[in-house]
Amino acid sequence: SQQGEEDPQALSIQEGENATMNCSYKTSINNLQWYRQNSGRGLVHLILIRSNEREKHSGRLRVTLDTSKKSSSLLITASRAADTASYFCATGPLNSGGSNYKLTFGKGTLLTVNP
Amino acid sequence: NAGVMQNPRHLVRRRGQEARLRCSPMKGHSHVYWYRQLPEEGLKFMVYLQKENIIDESGMPKERFSAEFPKEGPSILRIQQVVRGDSAAYFCASSRRAVAGTATNTGELFFGEGSRLTVL
Repeated sequence: SQQGEEDPQALSIQEGENATMNCSYKTSINNLQWYRQNSGRGLVHLILIRSNEREKHSGRLRVTLDTSKKSSSLLITASRAADTASYFCATGPLNSGGSNYKLTFGKGTLLTVNP
Repeated sequence: NAGVMQNPRHLVRRRGQEARLRCSPMKGHSHVYWYRQLPEEGLKFMVYLQKENIIDESGMPKERFSAEFPKEGPSILRIQQVVRGDSAAYFCASSRRAVAGTATNTGELFFGEGSRLTVL
């Protein structure tokens, strides 16, 4: 799999349900970030989790990180139609000499929340 | 509180023409990053610039592509003699400080809405 690869590729749920998206990566990382992209728009930063953290919350978002399995999950609780978007994980490299701007993005999970 | 501004939002060029994409970073940000998103792909890093300096262009193709961030004005990504494979969304991001991924730096980049280039 590619660095920062999300699954599933597409997810369709009903409003009010929880949505879980997963991300796997291959190399050691400094941090992992999740972004949202509405169709035809730019990326919005959702949450960053550092390699020494295991779980982080922000509103309806919960992110976990398992560095031993090189994987992360993004949980959106009580989903809304407005959550419909593509969700990308991006990894910041370890031992990059400060080049954490070289984020590696996956292809994303397209989440559709039906009203 | 304007975010990262990119223009044009959509650009159509014929093969062999030049494309110029502009990016104005967020107010107070002096670090600019360009990423490219090919269809059905994730974003890929191209180049990192500070005012009047290219810091890292390791992700940018060696030929036909160039970038600048002058002392005054927006950052510009220039693609000469475009080919169909250049069709993509080009995103600019900015940050206030160098994104070093340290404990005191969130590593967050603020992205613009992108410029979508179509090469006919």
